[in-house]
Amino acid sequence: QVQLVESGGGVVQPGRSLRLSCAASGLTFSNYGMHWVRQAPGKGLEWVAVIWYDGSNKYYADSVKGRFTISRDNSKNTLFLQMNSLRAEDTAVYYCVTDRGNRYLDLWGRGTLVIVSS
Amino acid sequence: QSALTQPASVSGSPGQSITISCTGTSSDVGGYNYVSWYQQYPGKAPKLMIYDVSNRPSGASNRFSGSKSGNTASLTISGLQAEDEADYYCSSYTSSSTRVFGTGTKVTVL
Repeated sequence: QVQLVESGGGVVQPGRSLRLSCAASGLTFSNYGMHWVRQAPGKGLEWVAVIWYDGSNKYYADSVKGRFTISRDNSKNTLFLQMNSLRAEDTAVYYCVTDRGNRYLDLWGRGTLVIVSS
Repeated sequence: QSALTQPASVSGSPGQSITISCTGTSSDVGGYNYVSWYQQYPGKAPKLMIYDVSNRPSGASNRFSGSKSGNTASLTISGLQAEDEADYYCSSYTSSSTRVFGTGTKVTVL
């Protein structure tokens, strides 16, 4: 069955960087656009970024534009999120999610927790 | 990129029907038939319940239905059951090729 497994979360100081990964299995990864979505503790869902199936297009939420970079390695079935200049408000569980035809977010991973704190 | 507006909470008795609204703008909800709904239990990842305004994926209960009028989409849960107690989020494609989520609604089964 389809599995999306996020990793790379942890505690990081404000201003530092962190790179999240999402390993996909059970699907033809290179056929799917992919999203990152985050959820701060006790808060709602916030869309972060999307990358097309072939990496040709990327879009970001205003809150992370210029600081975060989404990328993928289709040869390794892996999605990435490079997070720079981290702020306390970036503290959240980060989910990777498959995209269906640019219409909706479909399958979700279990998430990885990022805590930005000094 | 303002969040779509949902009521903070909705409640109902078992067997009743409830409806959750999701209000956006002509740049998101009103402009595309790409509204989806997600159910989330505490500590768990969200699960897709409705896509393309009114379509149900396999595995989603047929007690869940969706609709849209203008800039407002709605999720209706009929025959409310204890297992429906969860948080619900709407989402829409936007004119900037981004996505936006709703503020979230906590459903309580009385």
